[in-house]
Amino acid sequence: DAGVTQSPTHLIKTRGQHVTLRCSPISGHKSVSWYQQVLGQGPQFIFQYYEKEERGRGNFPDRFSARQFPNYSSELNVNALLLGDSALYLCASSLRGGYGYTFGSGTRLTVV
Amino acid sequence: GENVEQHPSTLSVQEGDSAVIKCTYSDSASNYFPWYKQELGKGPQLIIDIRSNVGEKKDQRIAVTLNKTAKHFSLHITETQPEDSAVYFCAASPPTSGTYKYIFGTGTRLKVLA
Repeated sequence: DAGVTQSPTHLIKTRGQHVTLRCSPISGHKSVSWYQQVLGQGPQFIFQYYEKEERGRGNFPDRFSARQFPNYSSELNVNALLLGDSALYLCASSLRGGYGYTFGSGTRLTVV
Repeated sequence: GENVEQHPSTLSVQEGDSAVIKCTYSDSASNYFPWYKQELGKGPQLIIDIRSNVGEKKDQRIAVTLNKTAKHFSLHITETQPEDSAVYFCAASPPTSGTYKYIFGTGTRLKVLA
């Protein structure tokens, strides 16, 4: 079975640009969460979606947005990129949310 | 606010010895505690988890203990092997009206020396 797949794996953007990151959950999983992992730190919660509805949002500015599609895949969008947005962005999925999130390998975003 | 402290930040052990990583959480309502292993260039991988109604859980060489009163939980790895070398993260999940988010610790870099 395919795990959580994220694309692209690596990305370089310029300050002020916009970026879209994509995530496909494990088949049958209806909950998707996004996390930001800065080098040397633990992942930080950005969003959780379940059944295409936003269920939670972490302490991130409005430049960050996300959505979940009818097939349960998800996009994370970041506008007006800052140097500090450079990080590994992780997507995780679970059947319903809460227990046993499975993480993808992430998208490494570098803002220059 | 919600916080998880993790110690130590680095840990070196000889192959075959045991390793213990400790975490403390701040939100006493937290009810789920997963542990993740992250290897270089990969996403975190769930290795064991425990719910708040259980004090201890074991899976082969890995065990987790939970002390709700002290708000502590620990990961124990016995008979360590070189492939156990990685960064380990603990997390706590506070119930927040339908939101299932994990608060992660800062990670422990475990090195198993052959």
